Amino acid sequence: EIVLTQSPGTLSLSPGERATLSCRASQSITNRYLAWYQQKPGQAPRLLIYGASSRATGVPDRFSGSGSGTDFTLTISRLEPEDFAVYYCQQYDSSPQTFGQGTKVEIK
Amino acid sequence: QLQLQESGPGLVKPSETLSLTCTVSGGSTDRGTYYWGWIRQPPGKGLEWIGSIFYKGDTYYNPSLKSRLTISVDTSKTHFSLNLTSVTAADTAVYYCAKLSTSKISPTSCYDHWGQGTLVTVSS
Repeated sequence: EIVLTQSPGTLSLSPGERATLSCRASQSITNRYLAWYQQKPGQAPRLLIYGASSRATGVPDRFSGSGSGTDFTLTISRLEPEDFAVYYCQQYDSSPQTFGQGTKVEIK
Repeated sequence: QLQLQESGPGLVKPSETLSLTCTVSGGSTDRGTYYWGWIRQPPGKGLEWIGSIFYKGDTYYNPSLKSRLTISVDTSKTHFSLNLTSVTAADTAVYYCAKLSTSKISPTSCYDHWGQGTLVTVSS
């Protein structure tokens, strides 16, 4: 199975700053079948990005995804107070689909 | 707006069977053509795919759970269910049901609609 490693584990930033989250795969993800989710405490994950770079319905354009092969990035251009949360990547290129361990974006 | 809601016991004894149901409401009438899935999250930990099912009943399971797992869908396409046998404390988690995105028509896709999740604790 494809193992996804997210870094850093925790990102401490201030509102208005830029956040860059990394997701590295143990083998190449063809067709860029990589998604990003946001999860807040006590809530279900929310799909942000699919196909590595396509924003899901209703997702603000400050969220963007990029990458290919084994290296993918989620960028939040200017952090809003509601963006402080845990972010997960997911590969759905091959079965079993797998998730990264998460990156927590916390207020500095 | 499509909505999903998990239901079932919050406490299961070790070695017994964990049974959950996901009720689907709202959304378009073609929801019967979707893939549906179960994902779980142990307290304080990450997400794990459990399995997926197509509206016709075709199932796809995580190999790590396959020997204990059954996922089914009712013919009305308003409910789908999960049964996990011989549970242990390691099965304690929040269990989510979700709809797979049609951006990739496959049992392996991303999830664009989620239930709120239900905590299942395995303890005697």
